[in-house]
Amino acid sequence: AQSVSQHNHHVILSEAASLELGCNYSYGGTVNLFWYVQYPGQHLQLLLKYFSGDPLVKGIKGFEAEFIKSKFSFNLRKPSVQWSDTAEYFCAVISLNTDKLIFGTGTRLQVFP
Amino acid sequence: GAVVSQHPSWVICKSGTSVKIECRSLDFQATTMFWYRQFPKQSLMLMATSNEGSKATYEQGVEKDKFLINHASLTLSTLTVTSAHPEDSSFYICSARSLTNEKLFFGSGTQLSVL
Repeated sequence: AQSVSQHNHHVILSEAASLELGCNYSYGGTVNLFWYVQYPGQHLQLLLKYFSGDPLVKGIKGFEAEFIKSKFSFNLRKPSVQWSDTAEYFCAVISLNTDKLIFGTGTRLQVFP
Repeated sequence: GAVVSQHPSWVICKSGTSVKIECRSLDFQATTMFWYRQFPKQSLMLMATSNEGSKATYEQGVEKDKFLINHASLTLSTLTVTSAHPEDSSFYICSARSLTNEKLFFGSGTQLSVL
């Protein structure tokens, strides 16, 4: 079955630490990839997306993600996190065969000052 | 783990008819549920936020008379697409926020095709 895996369920960091959140998917073929963020008490917001082209994607708030097709991965990174990055992060994938959007289970990030 | 059940997963209807989509949190209570729409090959668009026992809050540009949302209990929210037209054909997905830990869980989505 098609799936999206986020292996880090809960990440705790100090401010200025570097962040990498893993995302792997099991689809074959062409995919579109997304990272969404949910800040406490708010709804989802799009951080960044990959459709085609440069596999290194820059998003808002200093986030970036790299699509590595051979590894079926789309990991999210930020060189230096801030307290305000405390949130839940969701990876999502659309298989262009099915057009169906599937979410990972999310990673809760807590950043301490 | 917590599960959100969304039903039906796939529906075809005639133009002018209404379609109801259910979103249930199976093993947790959800104070807030969100309804999203996904256009082909694009990212999600938030349609509305519903809180149990109160009226839904719709995003700008979403017709509240067309997309009726009911959140009558802590485990069930429904989205009714009234007088559906072909342009309403889309993938609809719900999510529920857990009352206890504020975590967000997603339904598996409903593919609506209006003929």
